[in-house]
Amino acid sequence: EAGVVQSPRYKIIEKKQPVAFWCNPISGHNTLYWYLQNLGQGPELLIRYENEEAVDDSQLPKDRFSAERLKGVDSTLKIQPAELGDSAVYLCASSEGLSFTDTQYFGPGTRLTVL
Amino acid sequence: LAKTTQPISMDSYEGQEVNITCSHNNIATNDYITWYQQFPSQGPRFIIQGYKTKVKNEVASLFIPADRKSSTLSLPRVSLSDTAVYYCLVGEYSGAGSYQLTFGKGTKLSVIP
Repeated sequence: EAGVVQSPRYKIIEKKQPVAFWCNPISGHNTLYWYLQNLGQGPELLIRYENEEAVDDSQLPKDRFSAERLKGVDSTLKIQPAELGDSAVYLCASSEGLSFTDTQYFGPGTRLTVL
Repeated sequence: LAKTTQPISMDSYEGQEVNITCSHNNIATNDYITWYQQFPSQGPRFIIQGYKTKVKNEVASLFIPADRKSSTLSLPRVSLSDTAVYYCLVGEYSGAGSYQLTFGKGTKLSVIP
């Protein structure tokens, strides 16, 4: 079974440029998560989708970050414009059900460097 | 929101049992305790989850005392491949479909040959 797929794996951009990350969750998984992980820190939840609906986006900086999950499958996270402080690893995860006790399966992440 | 406290780092020799304790003093009645493992350049991977007493699977055991204010992840006979960061999470369900898993800073386990 294929795991969570993320692309690109690495991205280097100049500040003020836009950037987008793509996530393909495990087939059949209803819940999708985007996390941000800074060096030496644990992942921080940005947004959680149940099927197509964003049910928790309280930690998403909405002035520059946006996300979508069309048809309840793939998801895209966008930053526009990027700032130096956005340099981090962006992780996508998915879980089969809608319960918080469901195991989350993480992708390898996208490492973003903003110059 | 329940917060967790773990040691920043631990060292262990190969073949030893490792116990990593996590404090979660304000855990709520509905909260579950989950542990994840993360290797460099990879996303976290689920290890074990429990609510009370003891849970065991093929890779680890989880001990939760009656007051549930702490939990201990036990890794039997660690090997070099167990060198990783281990996260303790407390899941909080606040009703109406709203819940959150909060990762702390984790414990960096280094296994020494």
